[in-house]
Amino acid sequence: DIQMTQSPSSLSASVGDRVTITCRASQGISNNLAWFQQKPGKAPKSLIYAASSLQSGVPSKFSGSGSGTDFTLTISSLQPEDFATYYCQQYNSYPLTFGGGTKVEIK
Amino acid sequence: EVQLVESGGGLVQPGGSLRLSCAASGFTFSDHYIDWVRQAPGKGLEWVGRTRNKANRYTTEYAASVRGRFTISRDDSKNSLYLQMNSLKAEDTAVYFCARAQGGNHFDLWGQGTLVAVSS
Repeated sequence: DIQMTQSPSSLSASVGDRVTITCRASQGISNNLAWFQQKPGKAPKSLIYAASSLQSGVPSKFSGSGSGTDFTLTISSLQPEDFATYYCQQYNSYPLTFGGGTKVEIK
Repeated sequence: EVQLVESGGGLVQPGGSLRLSCAASGFTFSDHYIDWVRQAPGKGLEWVGRTRNKANRYTTEYAASVRGRFTISRDDSKNSLYLQMNSLKAEDTAVYFCARAQGGNHFDLWGQGTLVAVSS
């Protein structure tokens, strides 16, 4: 199985900050990586697919990069609605696997 | 409206069975792979399994943790997906989401989830 490791597991940031979350795959997955945002009690929301393609309707403050084993999600200017938990997920091979999540909290 | 709506969750005893449903609307259900993903209370997301579309013979994939106990099926005439869960264990307690896999790859649409609690 491909292990997905996110870092940090949590972070505190202020409104307006630039935030970067890292996701590392235990083996190469090309660009078969997605990012999701989840708020408490809600379903995940798809943000990015193919490592860097923005899902329709997702604001451009979200961006993704990377290929192979190392990936990043960047939020350019954190807003109150962005405080949530973020997950990466590989869909290169079965079983599909998720990272452990990064909780973004208000400083 | 394009949406997925899960139902069928509830409280079940260890060793029992439960069948979840996922109703799709607003898109051509039969074209898509659909997956089940679960989330234990306070934990992260775990992929459960997938059913491919008719063009790919409705074949399925499962996580090792549920293989042999859970069965995914679909009825394209009803725009519905099902998850038959047998021999349930306490560790199967979770919110179960169905999700559409766009192009057979990334998830682009999620349901709101249904809670399954396995306890005596």
